[in-house]
Amino acid sequence: AQSVSQHNHHVILSEAASLELGCNYSYGGTVNLFWYVQYPGQHLQLLLKYFSGDPLVKGIKGFEAEFIKSKFSFNLRKPSVQWSDTAEYFCALRNQAGTALIFGKGTTLSVSS
Amino acid sequence: DVKVTQSSRYLVKRTGEKVFLECVQDMDHENMFWYRQDPGLGLRLIYFSYDVKMKEKGDIPEGYSVSREKKERFSLILESASTNQTSMYLCASSSSGGSTDTQYFGPGTRLTVL
Repeated sequence: AQSVSQHNHHVILSEAASLELGCNYSYGGTVNLFWYVQYPGQHLQLLLKYFSGDPLVKGIKGFEAEFIKSKFSFNLRKPSVQWSDTAEYFCALRNQAGTALIFGKGTTLSVSS
Repeated sequence: DVKVTQSSRYLVKRTGEKVFLECVQDMDHENMFWYRQDPGLGLRLIYFSYDVKMKEKGDIPEGYSVSREKKERFSLILESASTNQTSMYLCASSSSGGSTDTQYFGPGTRLTVL
C-alpha cells in the first residue's frame, strides 16, 4: 500500500537556521509529490510539487525540495528560516489511481526570533 | 485565484444529531474532496467526487456520507454525529487536468460533538 512518512513530528529552530524536513514514501511507480503548508489559523496551501524532470523543485517563499528516487525521499529545505515560517508542513503523494492525495502526519515547525 | 469556501468555521453539535458540512468552489473543478485533520494523524480522505452525482469512498468513510448535486458544491453528512467525529474537516477541489492538477483547500470547519 502507498504511504507517506514524515520523520519529524516537531522541529524547533532559531531564525536564520537551515531547515530540512524529511519525507519518505512507499510506492514503486511514477510518483507525484507535494509539500503543503498550513500557517496558524490559515488554510492549507501548496508550497511546491514534483511531477517529472528536474528533481530539485523550487517553491514559494524560498522553499525547495529534492526528489531522490533511490531513497524514496522528497525532503523539504530552506537555507534560512524566518519566524513567519512557523507552521505545520505536510508531505503528500498522489495515489496510484491518480484520484486523491495521501498525506503524511505532518511536521510542526516552530521558529523563535 | 481559486476559492474554496466552507459554510462554517466552527460548529458545535450534540451526539446523535445529523450534521451537514457544505463546501463550494468557484473554479469549475471536476474533483472535490473531504478530509479530516487530527493532530498526529495528518489528513485522511473521507470521500471524494469526480463528477456531479459521482462519489468514491476514501480511507475513512464510516459514519459519513456525501452529496454532490451541483458541480460547485460538495456536502459532507454525518448521519448521527458521535464524539469521535470531533475534528477539523477540510474540503478541497482540483481540476481533472491529468496528474498535474493541484488540490486547493478551504479554510476548514472545526466540528465539536458533545
